[in-house]
This record gives sequence, C-alpha cells and structure tokens, in this order.
Amino acid sequence: KQEVTQIPAALSVPEGENLVLNCSFTDSAIYNLQWFRQDPGKGLTSLLLIQSSQREQTSGRLNASLDKSSGRSTLYIAASQPGDSATYLCAVSGAQKLVFGQGTRLTINP
Amino acid sequence: GAGVSQSPSNKVTEKGKDVELRCDPISGHTALYWYRQSLGQGLEFLIYFQGNSAPDKSGLPSDRFSAERTGGSVSTLTIQRTQQEDSAVYLCASSLVDQYEQYFGPGTRLTVT
Repeated sequence: KQEVTQIPAALSVPEGENLVLNCSFTDSAIYNLQWFRQDPGKGLTSLLLIQSSQREQTSGRLNASLDKSSGRSTLYIAASQPGDSATYLCAVSGAQKLVFGQGTRLTINP
Repeated sequence: GAGVSQSPSNKVTEKGKDVELRCDPISGHTALYWYRQSLGQGLEFLIYFQGNSAPDKSGLPSDRFSAERTGGSVSTLTIQRTQQEDSAVYLCASSLVDQYEQYFGPGTRLTVT
C-alpha cells in the first residue's frame, strides 16, 4: 500500500527566504507526482506535475524534483512571499487514484 | 475556461438523512474522481470514473456511499443515512484522460448534526 509522508508538518519563515518542502513515498511504481497548494477553506490548486520519466519541473519561483528510485520529491520555493502562505500537499498517482501526504502548513512572515 | 464546479458549497444535514453532492467536471475531461478530506484522515480517495468503464469504487467507506456519472459528464455522490463521521469536505477532480494532471473543484463541506 502506497504511503506518502511530508516533512515538516509546519514551517514558518521570514519573507524573502528560499525554502524546501519534502515528500517521500514508499512505492516507486508511480505514474506521476503532483504538488498542490490549499488555502484555508478552499479546494486544491495544482502547482506542478512531474511525470515518472522526468526529474524536475519548474514554474516561476517553484521548482519540483523527483527521484523515483529513492522515493523522494522536493518542492523548492525561491524568494518566498506572504502570499505563498498555504498548505502544500504532495500526491503520487498509481492505479488511477492520487495518494496524498498530510501536507506542510507554510507561513511566510512579512 | 470553466474549472470543476461543485454544489452545494456547504450542506448541513441531520443524522440519518440522505444527501446528494454534485460535480461538474471540466468539459472534455473523461476521468472524474471523488475524494474526501477530513481532519483525522487527510485526503482520501473514494471513487473513480473513466469513460464508459466500470467505476473503481475501492475507496468508498461503506455501502451507504454511492456515486454515478451520467452521460460521461456530471457526477452525483450520494450518502444515505448520514452519520456524524461523514462530516468532511468532499472534493471532486477531473483529468483529460487517465493518469494526467487532476484539477480539483472547490469542494462541498458536509456537516452532519
């Protein structure tokens, strides 16, 4: 059974810092990995999708990497801003469905 | 273009009543998913529809839960004889085809009193 773990559970940093969120998964037989952000009381917004054959994806200040063999992904956020404050969720796709981690609650302090 | 929409956005019901939750996927998306997000369990898969294939119901927590997808588009999740543990946010997602990027709706917050 696939299990996804995100570390840390919560992170608070001052504005402007670069930061890394971690995601690990137990079964390397995945189709893709998606990073989402969730604002309080809202649905999920897809940030980046990495196919299993890819090593990384970039969108603006976000960069996500994938190492299937070790079962790890990282989400790098450059020059953090208060608007980046949200919960970040990692999810891996296998057998059609997504399996989610518990998320990292990120707070960027002005 | 229009994203995934869900209705109602909030639903309060009494224990024992039946509820129906609706999802309108992105036009042209053949795959549709239901997930549930609760405080204790995080986000968990419920059911998956792909085209005209039989749905994957492996995530439904009990036989009180059922879902259908009519005409390959709109989906309805029905919960019969609701219990307090059914209180959660129910999220719908769609993707162009199987294994592609999933796009989520805003969710329906269900509260069972």
